[in-house]
Amino acid sequence: AQSVTQLDSQVPVFEEAPVELRCNYSSSVSVYLFWYVQYPNQGLQLLLKYLSGSTLVESINGFEAEFNKSQTSFHLRKPSVHISDTAEYFCAVSPNKGFQKLVFGTGTRLLVSP
Amino acid sequence: GAGVSQSPSNKVTEKGKDVELRCDPISGHTALYWYRQSLGQGLEFLIYFQGNSAPDKSGLPSDRFSAERTGGSVSTLTIQRTQQEDSAVYLCASSLFVGETQYFGPGTRLLVL
Repeated sequence: AQSVTQLDSQVPVFEEAPVELRCNYSSSVSVYLFWYVQYPNQGLQLLLKYLSGSTLVESINGFEAEFNKSQTSFHLRKPSVHISDTAEYFCAVSPNKGFQKLVFGTGTRLLVSP
Repeated sequence: GAGVSQSPSNKVTEKGKDVELRCDPISGHTALYWYRQSLGQGLEFLIYFQGNSAPDKSGLPSDRFSAERTGGSVSTLTIQRTQQEDSAVYLCASSLFVGETQYFGPGTRLLVL
């Protein structure tokens, strides 16, 4: 079984500041890792994913996440946030073989203020 | 279609009534998933379909919940004799095959009074 921990329920930050949203996971098997974003009153959107290969993955809007197997982490970072990044961010894992049920963390609400 | 669509977007019902929630996956996607997002439980897996069959129903909270998928496309999640604790956002996702990236619909917000 897998589990995901997002310790920060809410992260307030000023516009143009850097941000890191933490995600740690536990699993007895190898996993795929995902970050999904949910903007206010919208559905979940895939932000980025790690399947294999390079441990650093990037999204089109400037976010990046690094898979660290030894620390079982997949933290999400952005060097300079915008107001429009205000949203809830969910980290998720799935086994990389067989049926891949997504197991989600509890989410981190990113609040960007001017 | 362009994305996963769900209907209705909002549903208010009285305790004890049955409700049906619909999901239209992305065209050509063979796998379909239902999740529930609630304040107390976060995002939790309910059931998935590969084609029309549901190999894993382990996430359904009780026997009041059932789901079907016909023609390898549209899926319906049915909740019988709704309870207040069923109030949540019900999310549907689809993927090209099981194991591929899941794409989510906007959800159905269910409120049981």
